[in-house]
Amino acid sequence: DAGVIQSPRHEVTEMGQEVTLRCKPISGHNSLFWYRQTMMRGLELLIYFNNNVPIDDSGMPEDRFSAKMPNASFSTLKIQPSEPRDSAVYFCASSPLREGAGLAEAFFGQGTRLTVV
Amino acid sequence: AQKITQTQPGMFVQEKEAVTLDCTYDTSDPSYGLFWYKQPSSGEMIFLIYQGSYDQQNATEGRYSLNFQKARKSANLVISASQLGDSAMYFCAMQYRSNFGNEKLTFGTGTRLTIIP
Repeated sequence: DAGVIQSPRHEVTEMGQEVTLRCKPISGHNSLFWYRQTMMRGLELLIYFNNNVPIDDSGMPEDRFSAKMPNASFSTLKIQPSEPRDSAVYFCASSPLREGAGLAEAFFGQGTRLTVV
Repeated sequence: AQKITQTQPGMFVQEKEAVTLDCTYDTSDPSYGLFWYKQPSSGEMIFLIYQGSYDQQNATEGRYSLNFQKARKSANLVISASQLGDSAMYFCAMQYRSNFGNEKLTFGTGTRLTIIP
């Protein structure tokens, strides 16, 4: 398996523009996470999908952020309009269910480094 | 509130020595999981080891072991015979059940480990 695939790897955009980040989870994994990593705030969970359904979006910073998972093999994170403070590395991760209960380890994509100027 | 604390922002260790990275956690949920991830300078997040709250034995994976002290709420990572390739950021993470009823994975602030030749 190729692992979790994110695109693009790097994105530079101007303030006010729409940005769409893409993620293909590992086949068979039923949980998908979007994280944001910054020096100031570390790794923050933005949103969590289970079986394509958004379960917990309490980490989404504001209405400018939205995420979708139209099917089991694809998810997007959209920022509209983007602002300089959105500059960060955005990770997508997927996880299967652990036998018995709870999550198994989350496998991370390579991340998208977003710079908003 | 669920919380993960890593108190060592940085560590320098001589090659071939063992190293212990500290992690404490706070949760009132009796069922939880603890993870360690490695993030090298290339940026990817690599899963290292997992410990479940009901596991009787400390987890081990090759040169990695997890010193799980439940009463103290600590889950320290021990790397034996350190190598230059171990230089990276290390994150401790805790999986717990959120108010939404889903399994949530939250990360500590990380420890930057540098192995000295």
